[in-house]
Amino acid sequence: DGGITQSPKYLFRKEGQNVTLSCEQNLNHDAMYWYRQDPGQGLRLIYYSQIVNDFQKGDIAEGYSVSREKKESFPLTVTSAQKNPTAFYLCASSISTYSNQPQHFGDGTRLSIL
Amino acid sequence: KQEVTQIPAALSVPEGENLVLNCSFTDSAIYNLQWFRQDPGKGLTSLLLIQSSQREQTSGRLNASLDKSSGRSTLYIAASQPGDSATYLCAVFPPRDAGGTSYGKLTFGQGTILTVHP
Repeated sequence: DGGITQSPKYLFRKEGQNVTLSCEQNLNHDAMYWYRQDPGQGLRLIYYSQIVNDFQKGDIAEGYSVSREKKESFPLTVTSAQKNPTAFYLCASSISTYSNQPQHFGDGTRLSIL
Repeated sequence: KQEVTQIPAALSVPEGENLVLNCSFTDSAIYNLQWFRQDPGKGLTSLLLIQSSQREQTSGRLNASLDKSSGRSTLYIAASQPGDSATYLCAVFPPRDAGGTSYGKLTFGQGTILTVHP
């Protein structure tokens, strides 16, 4: 089945540690996105990528990094600079970044601090 | 800066009721609007996308309307069922820039938590 796969489902980070969240899609979509969801705050955009080897900062990019070396993959690294990383992280993709294309979401990764 | 508000924050109804969820946005210069459903601990499932040139979209028991001039959208759920229990989120797309792209930068509301009890 076509879709977006996020792994792991749960992730724990120690102080000072970088962790990487995986996002893979087999929908042949050009655009991919990372969102953070906190209770009562809705979703906020961290990074997005319109095409391979290109990505742009979203509204809350500080403390995060991404890469887009392959069309189907858009991993997110939560660095030690991110002081409040506990949240639910959602990856999404769309055919393109044009506004008439719906975004499709993975099932998320829940990150917690040990 | 665009702000999206969803009212009510939570709603509990008996099975079989028709109900309306509201979404309002501060900047009417949006391009499209998308409604999502989120089950606990899960990702978002797209329900309906309303293009800027449209006033409503229908899918099964769901009907979404869009009034850009007043900055409002409503999601109507007919004959609600316990399986409809979830959080419903709306999100707006910004207008395209001069190059024709809006970068898919959705602005989300905080969601309405719907509980349909038997």
